[in-house]
Amino acid sequence: GAVVSQHPSWVICKSGTSVKIECRSLDFQATTMFWYRQFPKQSLMLMATSNEGSKATYEQGVEKDKFLINHASLTLSTLTVTSAHPEDSSFYICSARTYRTSDTQYFGPGTRLTVL
Amino acid sequence: QKEVEQNSGPLSVPEGAIASLNCTYSDRGSQSFFWYRQYSGKSPELKMFIYSNGDKEDGRFTAQLNKASQYVSLLIRDSQPSDSATYLCAFTGGGNKLTFGTGTQLKVEL
Repeated sequence: GAVVSQHPSWVICKSGTSVKIECRSLDFQATTMFWYRQFPKQSLMLMATSNEGSKATYEQGVEKDKFLINHASLTLSTLTVTSAHPEDSSFYICSARTYRTSDTQYFGPGTRLTVL
Repeated sequence: QKEVEQNSGPLSVPEGAIASLNCTYSDRGSQSFFWYRQYSGKSPELKMFIYSNGDKEDGRFTAQLNKASQYVSLLIRDSQPSDSATYLCAFTGGGNKLTFGTGTQLKVEL
């Protein structure tokens, strides 16, 4: 149980384009989903927290107009990187939790974004 | 002071030995503690979670929590080459957010 999927697993795009990443909880309803970014040889950095049906809460320094998060249902959250630039190239990972799992977060497999 | 401190390693142990990974945290309000394993290029995988002082065992893995001393550790018995990975310590306080350490790289050598 507690399986989280992400799509796509990797994407290469040109500078200036937008990229959408999907995160799905497959066998449970996620009350909260989280989006992280991880640069090489660094730890995970939380970008934002989203609850179903409400606006995402962004961490300090994360541009909400650049990283659009939509949590439309209890099983789906999307992250759209708008007007991507090479410095946005990173490993984006989502996680999900539910009231049944208390504080425990289950992570998706991640999406590797490369912006040329 | 960093919120979570981990030795970055690498920690090298021979196959079959006990690997001991340690983590200290600064927030006394921390409530839940987690160990995630992350292979290179992959996302973190939950290995252990612990809420109460003492030990929690799951197979070859044992998590130890000492809230008075503000440390949490992970012991891996009979270490295998497949255990080679980066181990991330994390905790939550009163809210939703996980705070991660920078991770300890473990290498189990044949």
